[in-house]
Amino acid sequence: EVQLVESGGSLVQPGGSLKLSCVASGYTFSNYWMDWVRQTPGKSLEWIGEINTDGSKTNYAPSIKDRFTISRDNAKSTLYLQMSNVKSDDTAIYYCTLLRWFAYWGQGTLVTVSS
Amino acid sequence: DIQMTQSPASLSASLGETVSIECLASEDIYNNLAWYQQKPGKSPQLLIYYASSLQDGVPSRFSGSGSGTQYSLKINSLESEDAATYFCLQDSEYPPTFGGGTKLELK
Repeated sequence: EVQLVESGGSLVQPGGSLKLSCVASGYTFSNYWMDWVRQTPGKSLEWIGEINTDGSKTNYAPSIKDRFTISRDNAKSTLYLQMSNVKSDDTAIYYCTLLRWFAYWGQGTLVTVSS
Repeated sequence: DIQMTQSPASLSASLGETVSIECLASEDIYNNLAWYQQKPGKSPQLLIYYASSLQDGVPSRFSGSGSGTQYSLKINSLESEDAATYFCLQDSEYPPTFGGGTKLELK
C-alpha cells in the first residue's frame, strides 16, 4: 500500500526558512516523479512543483520559483521542500503527491507564516 | 496559466438526487482534466481522470464528461457520504491549475 507521510510544518516568521519532508513507502520511490501541492486556509489548491526520478530535473510554479527548492533522497525514500524567504501567503497545508493526476496524497503538514 | 472556473461554489441537494458540477477552462485542455473529492480534515481523493475515466475503487454513480474548455462531474443518486468539496484540475499545460472548489451539502 502506498503511503506518503509529510512532516516539518510549523510556525515560521516572515522571511524565515523551513524544510518539509515526505517519507514514501509501499512502492519503489526512485522510479517515480514526485510533486508538492499546497492548500491555503481558504481551501484553494496550488501546485508548487515537481522533481524527476533521480533529482536532476525540477519544475516550479512561477509564483514559487527561486524561493522554494524541491529535492529527494532515493536511499531514504524521502522527498523534501526547502522553503526560504517565506511570506504570509505561504501559509497552507503542504502535500506531497505521487503519479500523474496526483493519484496519491499524503496527509499534509501545516505551515503557518506569522510574526 | 490556464484558469479553471468552477461552478457552483456551493450547492445543497437531497439524498437520491443527481447533481452536476462544472469547470470551465480559459483555453482548450484536450480532456486533460481530473476531479477530486475532499472531506473535512482529509486529503483530496482522485475520482475521475482524462475527463471521464473512473479511478479504481470510485463508485459508478460518479461520472465525468466534457471536451474543449467545458467539463462536468455528475453524481447520481446522492448518498450521505458524498457530502464533501469537489475540485477540478487541468494538467494540459504547466503549471497544473485547480478550480476553486464546490462544496456539496446534503439536506
